[in-house]
Amino acid sequence: DTEVTQTPKHLVMGMTNKKSLKCEQHMGHRAMYWYKQKAKKPPELMFVYSYEKLSINESVPSRFSPECPNSSLLNLHLHALQPEDSALYLCASSQEGQGLADTQYFGPGTRLTVL
Amino acid sequence: LAKTTQPISMDSYEGQEVNITCSHNNIATNDYITWYQQFPSQGPRFIIQGYKTKVTNEVASLFIPADRKSSTLSLPRVSLSDTAVYYCLVGSNYGQNFVFGPGTRLSVLP
Repeated sequence: DTEVTQTPKHLVMGMTNKKSLKCEQHMGHRAMYWYKQKAKKPPELMFVYSYEKLSINESVPSRFSPECPNSSLLNLHLHALQPEDSALYLCASSQEGQGLADTQYFGPGTRLTVL
Repeated sequence: LAKTTQPISMDSYEGQEVNITCSHNNIATNDYITWYQQFPSQGPRFIIQGYKTKVTNEVASLFIPADRKSSTLSLPRVSLSDTAVYYCLVGSNYGQNFVFGPGTRLSVLP
């Protein structure tokens, strides 16, 4: 199974809402990632978890809160978002998470719209 | 960090071979070269990875000259479904660098 799943596929939320994005993989990978992608731009790294510990936080605003309950699951909790946070949110996983030589497997993404 | 430079866009016709070149002049000894493909509103998908010389799989070939300062992704006989953005990434298993460059937007025309 080389699949990374993400739910929901689409999410529309108001600026005062609290919502969560979910990501799951069953490849035995020990690293999981959140990326944000705006239209016609490359993915931008937000967070990396390696062995269930947060190893990279790319100065992401606190209104985005990641959580890694176990090595197969990754959540992104959203609160008080701004319209400019509207984007495609991608989850990925890889064996170790030490660098770009480690092949990443991406999920289909969650299309988030903040009103 | 090895910075990469790729053409912003390319056009091709169905059935042609497409070569996309990526420049990475300051590639480090431990760095590998990895290419990903991304269709609209989907996550990137791994295509191929190499360190030196030539690597081939069922989807593409990757040519890397001896100095490793560039690499070329070769897609044989493209079809309309190969229309996508192609990203060249250079990095090792050290340093935790996860930066995607702007990519090359390939349009395959009938």
